[in-house]
Amino acid sequence: AQTVTQSQPEMSVQEAETVTLSCTYDTSENNYYLFWYKQPPSRQMILVIRQEAYKQQNATENRFSVNFQKAAKSFSLKISDSQLGDTAMYFCASNTGNQFYFGTGTSLTVIP
Amino acid sequence: DAGVTQSPTHLIKTRGQQVTLRCSPKSGHDTVSWYQQALGQGPQFIFQYYEEEERQRGNFPDRFSGHQFPNYSSELNVNALLLGDSALYLCASSFWGPWPLMMVDTQYFGPGTRLTVL
Repeated sequence: AQTVTQSQPEMSVQEAETVTLSCTYDTSENNYYLFWYKQPPSRQMILVIRQEAYKQQNATENRFSVNFQKAAKSFSLKISDSQLGDTAMYFCASNTGNQFYFGTGTSLTVIP
Repeated sequence: DAGVTQSPTHLIKTRGQQVTLRCSPKSGHDTVSWYQQALGQGPQFIFQYYEEEERQRGNFPDRFSGHQFPNYSSELNVNALLLGDSALYLCASSFWGPWPLMMVDTQYFGPGTRLTVL
């Protein structure tokens, strides 16, 4: 089975600053996707960013970008210009075949 | 475009009872997955339905069963409820990818159903 590890249970960042959330995963597959999801206190899980494993170029979505290191099986999320609305639980997930595996999450607090 | 919807929002049951949770996928999606999320934890995969069949199953007992209807909506049934079944139940929908990948791409989640077992 795959595993996804998020080693930072909690993080905080000053508003307008940059923060990086770490994620490592373990898979023997060649074809897979990687995701970061955000879950605010309202609990709706929202897709932040998606990366296809066969693409070497790192995905970017506005203030969110990833550092995908396939050989190291590392997939970190960088949030630039942090905003108060970024306060949430962030989950890293991998998808091999038809099953998603989630990490335990990182609780991010943006401080005004 | 309606996203993934789930009902009910909250549910309170007692041990031994049975519960049914419902999910309507995002428009254009044909695959539904169910997850259990305990407080402070990441979602745990229960099972996935495509073409009205269970395609994948996580490490959950047979008390957890499901169904997918021709309109792609889905139900999650839990029998003989235990206190440990108290959790947020999330439904996620996606589109079954084409050959040769034949894998699910991005999943979009509903707001969840909070189940409390007393």
